[in-house]
Amino acid sequence: DQQVKQNSPSLSVQEGRISILNCDYTNSMFDYFLWYKKYPAEGPTFLISISSIKDKNEDGRFTVFLNKSAKHLSLHIVPSQPGDSAVYFCAASTSGTYKYIFGTGTRLKVLA
Amino acid sequence: NAGVMQNPRHLVRRRGQEARLRCSPMKGHSHVYWYRQLPEEGLKFMVYLQKENIIDESGMPKERFSAEFPKEGPSILRIQQVVRGDSAAYFCASSPGSLNEKLFFGSGTQLSVL
Repeated sequence: DQQVKQNSPSLSVQEGRISILNCDYTNSMFDYFLWYKKYPAEGPTFLISISSIKDKNEDGRFTVFLNKSAKHLSLHIVPSQPGDSAVYFCAASTSGTYKYIFGTGTRLKVLA
Repeated sequence: NAGVMQNPRHLVRRRGQEARLRCSPMKGHSHVYWYRQLPEEGLKFMVYLQKENIIDESGMPKERFSAEFPKEGPSILRIQQVVRGDSAAYFCASSPGSLNEKLFFGSGTQLSVL
């Protein structure tokens, strides 16, 4: 049972445009969400997080939006840069459990 | 301040052998997680440990797999009698243990079973 889903396995975007990566979850108990970026042969690195008490969190070119009623979050990257080409994972957890469930990832390719 | 250290980076084993994967968490981190990534798949939770305790091993296969995080030394993920299906990238992550803390990942161990 995949509790965190990233339904788009890949996405291509032109440099300078906006990249939108989506993530859906099924467990209404999740209240903390994170996005990670992963380059080949490296471990995932943290990008940005959001708590369920917020619906938006911004950090530079990265913004995460949370729609609790739809159980949906999205990561916006603007403007996209070639160095953003990587696999992006969303993850979710429930406070007090310390367990993070990851999605299957979306491979982003930013075209120069 | 060194990050999460995993070794070896690459491990080749023949079917039936044992694989031992090591993970040293970041300094000051007392919580360790192991995740597995099969080819073209996402990160699958395996086990979550604190020093000397297994807190959640719901993602671990019931047989052949075990994990420990002793009082001294790194966390070890041990796979006995490896099979080809165990070939994957195994990632370790650590956190300070506070609520809503992000995980810091190591570079992973790529296990190949011949």
